[in-house]
Amino acid sequence: GAGVSQSPRYKVTKRGQDVALRCDPISGHVSLYWYRQALGQGPEFLTYFNYEAQQDKSGLPNDRFSAERPEGSISTLTIQRTEQRDSAMYRCASSPKASAHEQYFGPGTRLTVT
Amino acid sequence: GEDVEQSLFLSVREGDSSVINCTYTDSSSTYLYWYKQEPGAGLQLLTYIFSNMDMKQDQRLTVLLNKKDKHLSLRIADTQTGDSAIYFCAETVAAGYQKVTFGIGTKLQVIP
Repeated sequence: GAGVSQSPRYKVTKRGQDVALRCDPISGHVSLYWYRQALGQGPEFLTYFNYEAQQDKSGLPNDRFSAERPEGSISTLTIQRTEQRDSAMYRCASSPKASAHEQYFGPGTRLTVT
Repeated sequence: GEDVEQSLFLSVREGDSSVINCTYTDSSSTYLYWYKQEPGAGLQLLTYIFSNMDMKQDQRLTVLLNKKDKHLSLRIADTQTGDSAIYFCAETVAAGYQKVTFGIGTKLQVIP
């Protein structure tokens, strides 16, 4: 079956622009997670949802970052007024239950802010 | 707070065993995970263990947990070139088991 997909795979944007990153989880999966991974680092937790409810957004770096999952399926991570330090790989994962035990990761979106 | 530490690099010969080590700091009940990341790919869950277990074995993979020292290891028997990848140790905290903290990753190089 289809895995987790993310779009776009690559995004280059100018500083100050807003970007929206999309995650399509595996159909029927309950929870959805967003991570940011800098080069040479492990993924850093940003936020997660169970169904449409955002359960924990403590990892979002500042109020320029927001995420939504309005119908409990597709999720969008939005970064407003992008800065060069936002450049990273943004990864999405989904899980069939409300736990992190079986996270299936997407390929990621490589964001470059120039 | 949670913190997960790993060594950065390990090199082994094909057919030997690999042992990748990790230390964690959270002392509450927790799940601990090993993920594999191949070049250009997403992360793949290899195995996980709950903190009340000492060992878990799955084919060529053996996970050992020393709760006293907060030390986790992943042993790969008969290491193959296809095992070359970055291996991430990760943990979740007791509240909900959904916020995952990853280590920096250990790059395993398998020499033919």
